Amino acid sequence: NAGVTQTPKFQVLKTGQSMTLQCAQDMNHNSMYWYRQDPGMGLRLIYYSASEGTTDKGEVPNGYNVSRLNKREFSLRLESAAPSQTSVYFCASSEGQRFFSGANVLTFGAGSRLTVL
Amino acid sequence: QKEVEQNSGPLSVPEGAIASLNCTYSDRGSQSFFWYRQYSGKSPELIMFIYSNGDKEDGRFTAQLNKASQYVSLLIRDSQPSDSATYLCAAPNAGNMLTFGGGTRLMVKP
Repeated sequence: NAGVTQTPKFQVLKTGQSMTLQCAQDMNHNSMYWYRQDPGMGLRLIYYSASEGTTDKGEVPNGYNVSRLNKREFSLRLESAAPSQTSVYFCASSEGQRFFSGANVLTFGAGSRLTVL
Repeated sequence: QKEVEQNSGPLSVPEGAIASLNCTYSDRGSQSFFWYRQYSGKSPELIMFIYSNGDKEDGRFTAQLNKASQYVSLLIRDSQPSDSATYLCAAPNAGNMLTFGGGTRLMVKP
């Protein structure tokens, strides 16, 4: 029962390098999300995919791109990494987006710690 | 102003005491709130959801929502050292995305 799986768990990049964070969920969830977490800032939404075939910007999308490869997989790409992108990245999924009623909850992956030098 | 605000702490309580964690929010229309617990180096995990005014209890945890004052609280009774973690408050925003507060770090001392 894997839930949400993220790879890699740790990565060190030099400024200007590119990389892709991979995320896969096995819960047959429709919606997937990428958050970043910085000290004292809580979790901030980068991009989300409400359903297979759609992606939308969140609160802090600049410098990132995403791909919803299929229902299971949602990747986050940094085309030209910057030190400001040093953070812990969490992928999450939910069955739907009816958060107001509590009908849906976010399930998080273990996180990917990225350092950009 | 952030939509959901929390005191970063740390909040230090002795073992067996009641820990009280607070969260304020700016959107008067907010009606539902989530509390997540995050151990150091781990991912957030859901511990409580509250929708209406008043209290909701689940074991040692009680969530309280006060819409008039725009705050939501999480009370942890009989605090244990294993409760030491960061507690994140979250609410759906106008776009129906979950917005998180910065989290409050709780330390329960034996």
